[in-house]
Amino acid sequence: GQNIDQPTEMTATEGAIVQINCTYQTSGFNGLFWYQQHAGEAPTFLSYNVLDGLEEKGRFSSFLSRSKGYSYLLLKELQMKDSASYLCARRTGANNLFFGTGTRLTVIP
Amino acid sequence: GAGVSQSPSNKVTEKGKDVELRCDPISGHTALYWYRQSLGQGLEFLIYFQGNSAPDKSGLPSDRFSAERTGGSVSTLTIQRTQQEDSAVYLCASSLIGQDGTEAFFGQGTRLTVV
Repeated sequence: GQNIDQPTEMTATEGAIVQINCTYQTSGFNGLFWYQQHAGEAPTFLSYNVLDGLEEKGRFSSFLSRSKGYSYLLLKELQMKDSASYLCARRTGANNLFFGTGTRLTVIP
Repeated sequence: GAGVSQSPSNKVTEKGKDVELRCDPISGHTALYWYRQSLGQGLEFLIYFQGNSAPDKSGLPSDRFSAERTGGSVSTLTIQRTQQEDSAVYLCASSLIGQDGTEAFFGQGTRLTVV
């Protein structure tokens, strides 16, 4: 397997900040993606990291540490519409794409 | 087309029947992926096509499952002798390869129900 691990569920308050962690198998690593999936819909792309460090895109940021096999997705100023599943995906050297089981985030008022 | 197109959007079939699911990727995308998602679960990798290379079939759960990609474009996933545990949403995605940061785009999926 790809040993992609993320928490199953998280709950956070509207307006707050939440960090969703992902760990993965480091061998053959060629990039880390985060996707958002609302219930009953297809996943949509959020962010991509291939080098160490933080990538910021509006309210969403993603961090990568290749040596540790670790990434996180940071969501700021949470809104109710951010309630969704967040999927961590690892790209291999052959450009295949494997997903974790996803983290279901619930934003409460 | 503008996006990844999958058909049918919904399919109800009787146990033991064969089904074919179709995926039209974004024009020019050389990589095509099939995943299966059961209710409330993550994306289970099934098969990956990349250009003219041999597909990675390592995710196919049994020999009842097969897929092909004709002319480097349209792909068909076939499930023979369907079982109730095959009920899931089948998602197809496509992407460009050779450019860093190119994400995979997903179709809306085919919801398969085996009764």
